[in-house]
Amino acid sequence: AQTVTQSQPEMSVQEAETVTLSCTYDTSESDYYLFWYKQPPSRQMILVIRQEAYKQQNATENRFSVNFQKAAKSFSLKISDSQLGDAAMYFCAYRSELPPGYALNFGKGTSLLVTP
Amino acid sequence: EPEVTQTPSHQVTQMGQEVILRCVPISNHLYFYWYRQILGQKVEFLVSFYNNEISEKSEIFDDQFSVERPDGSNFTLKIRSTKLEDSAMYFCASTARATGELFFGEGSRLTVL
Repeated sequence: AQTVTQSQPEMSVQEAETVTLSCTYDTSESDYYLFWYKQPPSRQMILVIRQEAYKQQNATENRFSVNFQKAAKSFSLKISDSQLGDAAMYFCAYRSELPPGYALNFGKGTSLLVTP
Repeated sequence: EPEVTQTPSHQVTQMGQEVILRCVPISNHLYFYWYRQILGQKVEFLVSFYNNEISEKSEIFDDQFSVERPDGSNFTLKIRSTKLEDSAMYFCASTARATGELFFGEGSRLTVL
């Protein structure tokens, strides 16, 4: 089974600064998807960004971007110009492209604190 | 904007009681999931459901758990005889395609006393 590791239980960033959350994963598959989900205190998980493993180009969504290193099995999330509303738990997740393995496999999460 | 809705938002039950958690997935979605998150721990996959049958389940999803889509709109998770360790937040999710974006509900918090 694939494992997803988030080695930073907590991170802190000042408003308007940039922060990078790390994620590594272990898989023997060549095709898969990687995701970052945000879980604010309301507890509904929201998709932040997704990356298909076959794409070499790193995904970006406004202030959010990833650094996907397939050979190193690393998938970090960069948040630029951090805002107070970015404070949340962030989960990295892996999903196989092969059936039936469409279930998301989550890391333990990184709690992001944004200070004024 | 369409969303996944879950009821109840919070349920307290006695150990050994049966619990049913309900979910209404987004209407055109075909794949449905249950995940759970024990307080302070990671989100764990329980079960996926497609075409009126379970397509995958984890080792957590033992004989005490069952899922059903009774009326074409609701998707339920039943825990037959709750244990203390079933206390968790349970999330329902749905997607239109097997590899599509997963949309999560706000969760149902289950407390077993």
